[in-house]
Amino acid sequence: DTAVSQTPKYLVTQMGNDKSIKCEQNLGHDTMYWYKQDSKKFLKIMFSYNNKELIINETVPNRFSPKSPDKAHLNLHINSLELGDSAVYFCASSLGVPMEEKLFFGSGTQLSVL
Amino acid sequence: AQTVTQSQPEMSVQEAETVTLSCTYDTSESDYYLFWYKQPPSRQMILVIRQEAYKQQNATENRFSVNFQKAAKSFSLKISDSQLGDAAMYFCAYRSPLYTGTASKLTFGTGTRLQVTL
Repeated sequence: DTAVSQTPKYLVTQMGNDKSIKCEQNLGHDTMYWYKQDSKKFLKIMFSYNNKELIINETVPNRFSPKSPDKAHLNLHINSLELGDSAVYFCASSLGVPMEEKLFFGSGTQLSVL
Repeated sequence: AQTVTQSQPEMSVQEAETVTLSCTYDTSESDYYLFWYKQPPSRQMILVIRQEAYKQQNATENRFSVNFQKAAKSFSLKISDSQLGDAAMYFCAYRSPLYTGTASKLTFGTGTRLQVTL
């Protein structure tokens, strides 16, 4: 069973469209994340939720809205897509407790905005 | 803000040889975690090794070991007996003590692409 699964793996869309990426973890973790990896492979955190509560919100355009319906799911909705949004988006999860800092990553969603 | 620097965009090593990947970081915090992640062509991010800053002993995981120099803010990864499957992007990452108990905010370096040759 996949520990952190995100769908779709690939997403090709036109500028101006709205799209969503879904993420689910079956590890029983309390904390989930979205990271963005740009074309130069640079990884940067976007958001983190702990038990459905927003904990980390980096400087991300308002067009990006995460939603956590329960602690096993963290979806990412993007409005009015722009060319610069093209990247690989990784979902991740962790236990969220001290001394257990290991992040488990999904396999990524490659978003291409044309 | 913390920064993580990987000064080697690419490295190459022959199979069965040893290679060291460099990482330096900048922080004013005293208690933190450091990680090395591997990203093969499959895109999956895989944790290779981690180091708690309060531990002086260098972490080891089978063929992977680190040289952690806290005063110098250096955290290099040594891969011994390199194998073809070690070919990947390697990312150094810093975890701030902020959000402890709720979340792990990782700051990543720009990565080092490791090639393994026969």
